[in-house]
Amino acid sequence: KAGVTQTPRYLIKTRGQQVTLSCSPISGHRSVSWYQQTPGQGLQFLFEYFSETQRNKGNFPGRFSGRQFSNSRSEMNVSTLELGDSALYLCASSSLAGPLNEQFFGPGTRLTVL
Amino acid sequence: AQKVTQAQTEISVVEKEDVTLDCVYETRDTTYYLFWYKQPPSGELVFLIRRNSFDEQNEISGRYSWNFQKSTSSFNFTITASQVVDSAVYFCALSEPTGANNLFFGTGTRLTVIP
Repeated sequence: KAGVTQTPRYLIKTRGQQVTLSCSPISGHRSVSWYQQTPGQGLQFLFEYFSETQRNKGNFPGRFSGRQFSNSRSEMNVSTLELGDSALYLCASSSLAGPLNEQFFGPGTRLTVL
Repeated sequence: AQKVTQAQTEISVVEKEDVTLDCVYETRDTTYYLFWYKQPPSGELVFLIRRNSFDEQNEISGRYSWNFQKSTSSFNFTITASQVVDSAVYFCALSEPTGANNLFFGTGTRLTVIP
């Protein structure tokens, strides 16, 4: 099985712009979660989607949003980018929602905001 | 609120030495799940183990072993006979029991194994 894929792998944007990141889960997986990793804050949960519905959301401003399509692929969008949004954004997929189901992580998208 | 503390920021050991990575957690839930993940330089988090709060048995998998102690809220990870390939950042994480995939991660411990 192919693993979780994330595109693009690297991205450079300027303040005020918006960005869309994509995540393709492992085939058959219906749950997709997003995490932000920064040197200062570490790994923080952004949100989780299951069957096109947002199940859970972390403590991030409304500039961070996401969606999931019927084929389980997910996108996350960040509007009005700030310097502090520079981070590695990781996507994880699992077959079902819930901690009993192992999450498989993708390689991440490294976003740099100038 | 959930919290995971990994007090060791960086550890260096010489190859073949044993090393223990500490993890202390806080939660008000009686049911919860604990995880360890490895993040090599490539950036991808690799799942190592999951343990639920009702299972305090220690676990051994090859050179890896885990010691879960509810009495001290600790879930420590030991690598025996470390190898250079073990060099990575290791994260301990805690999950809510609500059925959601929301992991609370510690700040990670960077392990460097020197040949």
